[in-house]
Amino acid sequence: AQSVSQHNHHVILSEAASLELGCNYSYGGTVNLFWYVQYPGQHLQLLLKYFSGDPLVKGIKGFEAEFIKSKFSFNLRKPSVQWSDTAEYFCAVNAWAGTALIFGKGTTLSVSS
Amino acid sequence: DGGITQSPKYLFRKEGQNVTLSCEQNLNHDAMYWYRQDPGQGLRLIYYSQIVNDFQKGDIAEGYSVSREKKESFPLTVTSAQKNPTAFYLCASSLLAGGHDNEQFFGPGTRLTVL
Repeated sequence: AQSVSQHNHHVILSEAASLELGCNYSYGGTVNLFWYVQYPGQHLQLLLKYFSGDPLVKGIKGFEAEFIKSKFSFNLRKPSVQWSDTAEYFCAVNAWAGTALIFGKGTTLSVSS
Repeated sequence: DGGITQSPKYLFRKEGQNVTLSCEQNLNHDAMYWYRQDPGQGLRLIYYSQIVNDFQKGDIAEGYSVSREKKESFPLTVTSAQKNPTAFYLCASSLLAGGHDNEQFFGPGTRLTVL
């Protein structure tokens, strides 16, 4: 069965610090990979996605993620966080042959100004 | 505006009562999903539907039921058999289920509290 592991439950940073959130998945076949974000009081929305091609994908608001197939990882990065990045971040995976997304347990990011 | 609507936003239920959560989409998506979100648990799949009149159980389907009579609508009923129903419920849809590029779009959620 597929599973997704997010390494950090809660990350606390100061503004302008760099961010990296870890995500590892377990599935041997071809996968689609996603990072979603849930800002306080808002819908869950897509930050970025990887289906194929360049393993470094860029998303909204300056976020990027790198797919490393050999490590089954899809880590999220941002060079300089802002207070408005305070949110909960979810990594999700689904197999091409599968249907529903499998989500990690989420990482809460708190950014202090 | 295209999107997914869920109603109500907040719902209170007495123990032993069934309750139905509404989910409607006007994105013309074939696939629809219900997730439950609990603190520290992430999102867990309850049911999904790839096409009208068809649906499959997810990881935590016990105590829930769904129907998919129309493409736009995928209501979720939380029955009295669900042992711990207090949670935040999210509905989502995608153009297709599985395959390449099945980005899911989410509704605003319904927070259910059992009194």
